[in-house]
Amino acid sequence: GDSVTQTEGLVTVTEGLPVKLNCTYQTTYLTIAFFWYVQYLNEAPQVLLKSSTDNKRTEHQGFHATLHKSSSSFHLQKSSAQLSDSALYYCALSPQGGRALIFGTGTTVSVSP
Amino acid sequence: NAGVIQTPRHKVTGKGQEATLWCEPISGHSAVFWYRQTIVQGLEFLTYFRNQAPIDDSGMPKERFSAQMPNQSHSTLKIQSTQPQDSAVYLCASSLGGQDTQYFGPGTRLLVL
Repeated sequence: GDSVTQTEGLVTVTEGLPVKLNCTYQTTYLTIAFFWYVQYLNEAPQVLLKSSTDNKRTEHQGFHATLHKSSSSFHLQKSSAQLSDSALYYCALSPQGGRALIFGTGTTVSVSP
Repeated sequence: NAGVIQTPRHKVTGKGQEATLWCEPISGHSAVFWYRQTIVQGLEFLTYFRNQAPIDDSGMPKERFSAQMPNQSHSTLKIQSTQPQDSAVYLCASSLGGQDTQYFGPGTRLLVL
């Protein structure tokens, strides 16, 4: 079946240093879109990035990700982590046809001073 | 734009009681999704509607859970005979359809004692 894998449950990083969250997927759908959602404590998930174009870099709020269909990946990166980036991050696959999102298990990012 | 509205924000029920959760999608959005979030399972898909019609309820525990969308402005998720394992945050999301971004409501935190 279709699945999304986030290998890190917790990522700790010092403020100002780079951070990378891994996301890989398996799918039988030919047309897919990918999202990164961020969820702050006691809030709803909100979209951070979206991409459906192979090998095109997408950026928002200092974060960037590139969908690589050849390696089935959509890793999230930021060059300089901020304290306000501490949150839970979900990678999600959107299959063609407007079906429900398929989420990874989530990665908690903790940024320390 | 008020975003997705969910009520109540918190609900406490006794084991065996019924719980009804409400969702008002963003005006103009044709797709409505229900997810459940727990620490152990993360984000799980329950069911979704497109243009008020039920499309996929494969994530719903069949015996006690039901969902309806009687009009384009609200959807309900009903849990009969609630059990402690139903305790979770229930999230509603809406989108324009297709692979458009899903926007989440603040969720209803259900606690079954």
